[in-house]
Amino acid sequence: QKEVEQDPGPLSVPEGAIVSLNCTYSNSAFQYFMWYRQYSRKGPELLMYTYSSGNKEDGRFTAQVDKSSKYISLFIRDSQPSDSATYLCAMSINQAGTALIFGKGTTLSVSS
Amino acid sequence: GAGVSQSPSNKVTEKGKDVELRCDPISGHTALYWYRQRLGQGLEFLIYFQGNSAPDKSGLPSDRFSAERTGESVSTLTIQRTQQEDSAVYLCASSPGLNTQYFGPGTRLTVL
Repeated sequence: QKEVEQDPGPLSVPEGAIVSLNCTYSNSAFQYFMWYRQYSRKGPELLMYTYSSGNKEDGRFTAQVDKSSKYISLFIRDSQPSDSATYLCAMSINQAGTALIFGKGTTLSVSS
Repeated sequence: GAGVSQSPSNKVTEKGKDVELRCDPISGHTALYWYRQRLGQGLEFLIYFQGNSAPDKSGLPSDRFSAERTGESVSTLTIQRTQQEDSAVYLCASSPGLNTQYFGPGTRLTVL
């Protein structure tokens, strides 16, 4: 079983739709959870950062962590064509000096 | 301000040749990471530098891979006797600490 599982998609939605992206993980020691967005031929950029369980909202984006189910989600409201990218979840055990464990990424396409 | 830069952006080489990839981190960032991203795969950790501490080389796939960093400045990743399976995008990230990693655009390596 891989440490982090993420459905690669592709996921295609119309503009304005609510998008749900998910990752599951096996290591209960993970405490820090991140979502990165990667446009084609670019490096990943940090989108959301959460610690432990709960929700975090930033504009149209909401990150949700359910540690009891080892499941994290990223919701995108009112999706835009500019949201078309690959979304990578990442997680780590501690806060400093540890390489992140990444999912394979989900490719999202938002059509206008 | 300037982000993480990497050079070259693309590199095509012949099997068996050595290649050197360069990363210029964000000024003041103490931590530097190298990752490999194969087509359709997640990011694979290679090596981590933190200040003047001994690097974490646990992700290097073979002894053909090595990396150097002097202080908190430029880092180079060297791949000796390249193989076709080394073809990938090599991403560098720097961090001021915590888990906020800032990625460069990557070097796309193709081994013929």
